[in-house]
Amino acid sequence: EDQVTQSPEALRLQEGESSSLNCSYTVSGLRGLFWYRQDPGKGPEFLFTLYSAGEEKEKERLKATLTKKESFLHITAPKPEDSATYLCALEGETGANNLFFGTGTRLTVIP
Amino acid sequence: NAGVMQNPRHLVRRRGQEARLRCSPMKGHSHVYWYRQLPEEGLKFMVYLQKENIIDESGMPKERFSAEFPKEGPSILRIQQVVRGDSAAYFCASSPARGNSPLHFGNGTRLTVT
Repeated sequence: EDQVTQSPEALRLQEGESSSLNCSYTVSGLRGLFWYRQDPGKGPEFLFTLYSAGEEKEKERLKATLTKKESFLHITAPKPEDSATYLCALEGETGANNLFFGTGTRLTVIP
Repeated sequence: NAGVMQNPRHLVRRRGQEARLRCSPMKGHSHVYWYRQLPEEGLKFMVYLQKENIIDESGMPKERFSAEFPKEGPSILRIQQVVRGDSAAYFCASSPARGNSPLHFGNGTRLTVT
């Protein structure tokens, strides 16, 4: 059965204090691993797709990496506007029609 | 989240009433997905539709829930005889193709059952 575990559940950072969010997964045949950002009262906003171990993608202060068992979302020098819940989701071969989401990491960046 | 339009944003229903949630996908997207988000839980897949067809409804309860995506007009998620446990945020997403193209989500409909 596909599983996604995100840690930590919540993270408070000072502005400028870099850190990483973790997404551990088990899946039978990974078709894609996705990172989304969700602000309160809004829908998830797509950030990255990773397809194979060793792949990395960057966007502004965010960088996503992928291994065979986990993915990291690295946040470099975060700003208060980076505060949000970050969701990891995977698409496996058995559930090729849908994404399986983790429960997210709630990030708060303090000025 | 511009592009995928959901309405209403908030919906209050009494137990036993019907709830109808609407979703218009992004322009050019013919694949629609419905997800439900309960407090402190992750997004859970409910149903995947293409125009006039239900492709996968494996995540949708067998009773009281139905979905459609007609040739013309928005996709509709319908919940009959709502119960308190149906209170949740319901999100619609769309994509241009099946498979691992990213889903684009709307801002959801928050259903409260009193």
